[in-house]
Amino acid sequence: DSGVTQTPKHLITATGQRVTLRCSPRSGDLSVYWYQQSLDQGLQFLIQYYNGEERAKGNILERFSAQQFPDLHSELNLSSLELGDSALYFCASSAGGLETYNEQFFGPGTRLTVL
Amino acid sequence: GQNIDQPTEMTATEGAIVQINCTYQTSGFNGLFWYQQHAGEAPTFLSYNVLDGLEEKGRFSSFLSRSKGYSYLLLKELQMKDSASYLCAVGDSNYQFIWGAGTKLIIKP
Repeated sequence: DSGVTQTPKHLITATGQRVTLRCSPRSGDLSVYWYQQSLDQGLQFLIQYYNGEERAKGNILERFSAQQFPDLHSELNLSSLELGDSALYFCASSAGGLETYNEQFFGPGTRLTVL
Repeated sequence: GQNIDQPTEMTATEGAIVQINCTYQTSGFNGLFWYQQHAGEAPTFLSYNVLDGLEEKGRFSSFLSRSKGYSYLLLKELQMKDSASYLCAVGDSNYQFIWGAGTKLIIKP
């Protein structure tokens, strides 16, 4: 158990819908990262937050947005869903945000299926 | 552009040794990570290298050459439970992690 929690574990929805994925980082970790992993693909970095502020942005679509709240939990919002958005979405947390060499601890992931 | 290359798949025999290579081209370098990921599960941290040389941790070792943009993960005394994907990731100068596509390691009895 990494100490990172994600809800829900599974999500099935239809095209055009909007969903929210939630992540609670390990106690004390200030950085939260979001990743997308499609079937048999590598991890695609989406976005990083550090202590409530956006720190780095990867290949995140405009239909996707995220935020980190004062209690450090984070939410990833996916809208106008398409079939291709079906994937495992991982959240990870690390202790700091100013250095990139902090080990990231991954949550169990949310499996999103868009029908 | 930024790029990380790893072999897509490797096969090895239980009890043997296997070396998984990773080459990278990134804007800046703030360390190289190796993660293990079993199918459908979250990646788990294996090792971190920021200086050249070999880091040993039990059956796993990781090597880094910054001048060559090269790293390898060495797994000894392979066990069936080592069947997994092994992900190489580099921290670049923009505070981003650049991830390789992963190497699927198949262990045969």
